[in-house]
Amino acid sequence: AQSVTQLDSHVSVSEGTPVLLRCNYSSSYSPSLFWYVQHPNKGLQLLLKYTSAATLVKGINGFEAEFKKSETSFHLTKPSAHMSDAAEYFCVVSEDRTASKLTFGTGTRLQVTL
Amino acid sequence: EAGVAQSPRYKIIEKRQSVAFWCNPISGHATLYWYQQILGQGPKLLIQFQNNGVVDDSQLPKDRFSAERLKGVDSTLKIQPAKLEDSAVYLCASSATGTQVAFFGQGTRLTVV
Repeated sequence: AQSVTQLDSHVSVSEGTPVLLRCNYSSSYSPSLFWYVQHPNKGLQLLLKYTSAATLVKGINGFEAEFKKSETSFHLTKPSAHMSDAAEYFCVVSEDRTASKLTFGTGTRLQVTL
Repeated sequence: EAGVAQSPRYKIIEKRQSVAFWCNPISGHATLYWYQQILGQGPKLLIQFQNNGVVDDSQLPKDRFSAERLKGVDSTLKIQPAKLEDSAVYLCASSATGTQVAFFGQGTRLTVV
């Protein structure tokens, strides 16, 4: 069975400071991992995905994530937060190469303050 | 390209009433998903279609929920009768065959009172 645990339900950072959103996964097979972002009243948008290629994955809007098999982690980072980054972020795992069954974490709400 | 379209955006019904949601996926996407997102939780897969066939409906409460995708394009999700705990955002997503990226609609926010 596959699952993800997002370690923080809420993260608050100041604009211009680094962002770290933590995610640990559990999977019986080599997983595919994703980060999605959900802005208020908007649909879920894919930030980045890991599918067994390079362990450091770069996504949109300056975000990146590193797949660490030894730690079963896939943390999301950004060097400098912007006000527009405030949103809900979901870590997602799939054991199916076609991503047919996506299992979402409970989400981390990122707040960015001036 | 046009995204995943869902309607209505909001719906308020009384318990025991029925309700239906509609989804039009991205053109050419063979796979269509319905997710339920309860407030404060991550989306949970209800049902997945590949063209007009059901691939996974293991988490669909079949006593009250039903979904169809008759022509392999758009889809409807129905709840009958609704319960208070069905209050949630219902998300539709689609993906192209062989890809690992699902595109989501804006969702339908259902409130059952």
